[in-house]
Amino acid sequence: NAGVTQTPKFQVLKTGQSMTLQCAQDMNHNSMYWYRQDPGMGLRLIYYSASEGTTDKGEVPNGYNVSRLNKREFSLRLESAAPSQTSVYFCASRVRGPSNEQFFGPGTRLTVL
Amino acid sequence: SQELEQSPQSLIVQEGKNLTINCTSSKTLYGLYWYKQKYGEGLIFLMMLQKGGEEKSHEKITAKLDEKKQQSSLHITASQPSHAGIYLCGADAGSEKLVFGKGTKLTVNP
Repeated sequence: NAGVTQTPKFQVLKTGQSMTLQCAQDMNHNSMYWYRQDPGMGLRLIYYSASEGTTDKGEVPNGYNVSRLNKREFSLRLESAAPSQTSVYFCASRVRGPSNEQFFGPGTRLTVL
Repeated sequence: SQELEQSPQSLIVQEGKNLTINCTSSKTLYGLYWYKQKYGEGLIFLMMLQKGGEEKSHEKITAKLDEKKQQSSLHITASQPSHAGIYLCGADAGSEKLVFGKGTKLTVNP
């Protein structure tokens, strides 16, 4: 099993460009998540999907859109990138329900110039 | 909304020393997770605690959840350079969400 995979690993964008971050998991998990990690801010939830066909906003959703394409895949789209979106983005998944740990992908390091 | 505060923010210890990292919640904890992150990598799950007074150990790392379920501690015995990284606590926050602390950066000097 590959676990949670993310593409790309690194990306540099210019202000105003758009891009989609891809995430896939092969553990048959119901719930999937997108976080951003910034120095001194910890992990902040952008969007999550508790099950296929549903998505909900997290703590910092502005400037982002998501798509739960199927049970395996959950993508994050930046429509018009801004320097404030420079960050490391992590995708995670878990079995639905409390007391189940999240499994994280390796992250995407995004720089917006 | 629930908030997790970690202390200290950073820690530098000499190899072989013991250390403790704390995680304090603004609300009762119903599931507390400890993760470790090496620089430039994803998060690795360490342990999960649920019950008040619960204690779990893995190799030289022990995590405890206090009786009131509002604070957890992570203790490393005889630290090694391989323990270096960022330690994060996370908690179930309802509706399938987890909330995380800001992390504690651990440096272990040989």
